[in-house]
Amino acid sequence: RKEVEQDPGPFNVPEGATVAFNCTYSNSASQSFFWYRQDCRKEPKLLMSVYSSGNEDGRFTAQLNRASQYISLLIRDSKLSDSATYLCVVNVGDMRFGAGTRLTVKP
Amino acid sequence: NAGVMQNPRHLVRRRGQEARLRCSPMKGHSHVYWYRQLPEEGLKFMVYLQKENIIDESGMPKERFSAEFPKEGPSILRIQQVVRGDSAAYFCASSPLTDTYYEQYFGPGTRLTVT
Repeated sequence: RKEVEQDPGPFNVPEGATVAFNCTYSNSASQSFFWYRQDCRKEPKLLMSVYSSGNEDGRFTAQLNRASQYISLLIRDSKLSDSATYLCVVNVGDMRFGAGTRLTVKP
Repeated sequence: NAGVMQNPRHLVRRRGQEARLRCSPMKGHSHVYWYRQLPEEGLKFMVYLQKENIIDESGMPKERFSAEFPKEGPSILRIQQVVRGDSAAYFCASSPLTDTYYEQYFGPGTRLTVT
């Protein structure tokens, strides 16, 4: 089993749609969690940290379920500029990246 | 405040040559991480360094790869006798502290092509 597993995607959605990404992790000792986005041939950029209580940043909502070892990212009212690969990241002393889920938002 | 800097951005080497990749962390950051991303794959952790110390090199291939972060100057990832399979994007990231709650910030990467 991979340390961090994500929905394989790709997700192709129309503008304005709501899309959700899921991620599971295997190490119960994981301390912190993040979502990064990576545009084609660019570096990963931090999208948001994920807190136990859940957190929201504009159109983006992240949830963490430690009991189920599950993380989610919800994007509301998706924009063309949201098209990217979304990486689930778990910190177990060093960062472990999921393979990413590709999102394409179409007009 | 400049971000993480990496150079060169693109590097072409013939099989058997050496590749040197450089990374300057963000100002105030003393922790550097190197990752490799093969085409169409996720990022793989390679090594974690602080100034003059290798903290975790569990992701480094056993041969041909080495990394350093000297007291002065950038961190260097060195690949000796490159092979075609080394072709990848190599990203460097930095963070201010080792606390696991701190995010890492990435440089633009070096794309290594081995011909």
